[in-house]
This record gives sequence, C-alpha cells and structure tokens, in this order.
Amino acid sequence: QQQVKQSPQSLIVQKGGIPIINCAYENTAFDYFPWYQQFPGKGPALLIAIRPDVSEKKEGRFTISFNKSAKQFSLHIMDSQPGDSATYFCAASGNSGAGSYQLTFGKGTKLSVIP
Amino acid sequence: NAGVTQTPKFRVLKTGQSMTLLCAQDMNHEYMYWYRQDPGMGLRLIHYSVGEGTTAKGEVPDGYNVSRLKKQNFLLGLESAAPSQTSVYFCASWIPGQGETAFFGQGTRLTVV
Repeated sequence: QQQVKQSPQSLIVQKGGIPIINCAYENTAFDYFPWYQQFPGKGPALLIAIRPDVSEKKEGRFTISFNKSAKQFSLHIMDSQPGDSATYFCAASGNSGAGSYQLTFGKGTKLSVIP
Repeated sequence: NAGVTQTPKFRVLKTGQSMTLLCAQDMNHEYMYWYRQDPGMGLRLIHYSVGEGTTAKGEVPDGYNVSRLKKQNFLLGLESAAPSQTSVYFCASWIPGQGETAFFGQGTRLTVV
C-alpha cells in the first residue's frame, strides 16, 4: 500500500507564481517529513524538512505547512523561478519497529516554471 | 568531497547476467538504503541496513540481494538480471532521529536487454 500520497503529478506555473504540492500520509508513527528536490541526472537533495511539533517551517522561498490531525503536509514555493523547475518528492519516516527507520517517498511532482 | 558515491554510473546487462552495485559513504552513517526510481513510481525502497552486518527487506526486494560487511559500504546484487530491473538505482545514507538529512548518491542507470 502507498503510505505517502503526493499530488499533483505535474505542475506548470508562470515565473513568480506559487506552486503548491500536497502530500498525505497514513502511518501515525511517522515523525519526520522531508522534501527533496531532484534535477535530471542527479540524486535527490534535501530541500526542507519538518517534524510534527510545528505547523509551519520556512526556509528562504520554501515553506512547509503541516496539519497533524489531517495527516497532510504541503510545500509552497514563493516567487517561483525557472531554476526551480525540477521534480519534488515528499517523504516520511518514523520508527517502524525495533528502532528501524525507513524513509518512504511519494511518487513525485514534476514542476515546470515558465519564464 | 564527503558524501555518498555509487559505482558504476551506467551499465548495460544482458538478461540473465549478474552484477553488483557498490555504494560507499564516508559520513559514518549507520543507516544505508537502496532505492530504485522508475517513471511515475517515485523512489521505492529495495533493501536497507541499520548497521554493519545487518540488512532488511524494503518494498520491492525480489530479485535483489544486499550485503553490509563494512559500515561504509552497502552492496546491491542482481543474480540474474531481468528487463524489469531496468531502472535508476539510488543509494542513501543517514542517521535518523538526529536532525540530519539522508544523503543520496548520484545514481546508477542500469539497462537490462
């Protein structure tokens, strides 16, 4: 079963727009929610991450909003630029038993920012 | 540079051939992971290791084996490659629960013909 559901699959915005990518999770043991950015031919790289004790975290133009009761979190990119065009993955992790942490990913969102 | 290094970067195999992908990290991380990335499927966990000498199955382990004989290395083996294993493979390492991120390698693009 898919433990982290991500939407939309693809997103096209104009430069300066605010793309929003949403994720939902099922496992209440998850306690770490990172977002990764991936450019073609590269490995994923951490963009920003949040833990469930806060509802929002901002780093530069990137903001995570977190709703623990709804088990949802989202990424907002303010003043988007063509250089932000990439694939974005949400992920979740928590103790899956015996101190074992898996990092589970959503299916990704391909963002295109048009000049 | 410190980080996660994967070798090889590209490989073409014939169906039935075997190969080993190597992942090396120099950050003294306990956890190491192997993922495969396919279009529209995101990153799916194949196997992972929580420390030297330990391995565990992930979401899609069939057709793969792994070994973690040294803390810094995590090997992914394909005993008899199949076209369905054509994918991009990523290795990652991490210390969960300590405020750090998981670091990924640059990937290995494998084609099985």
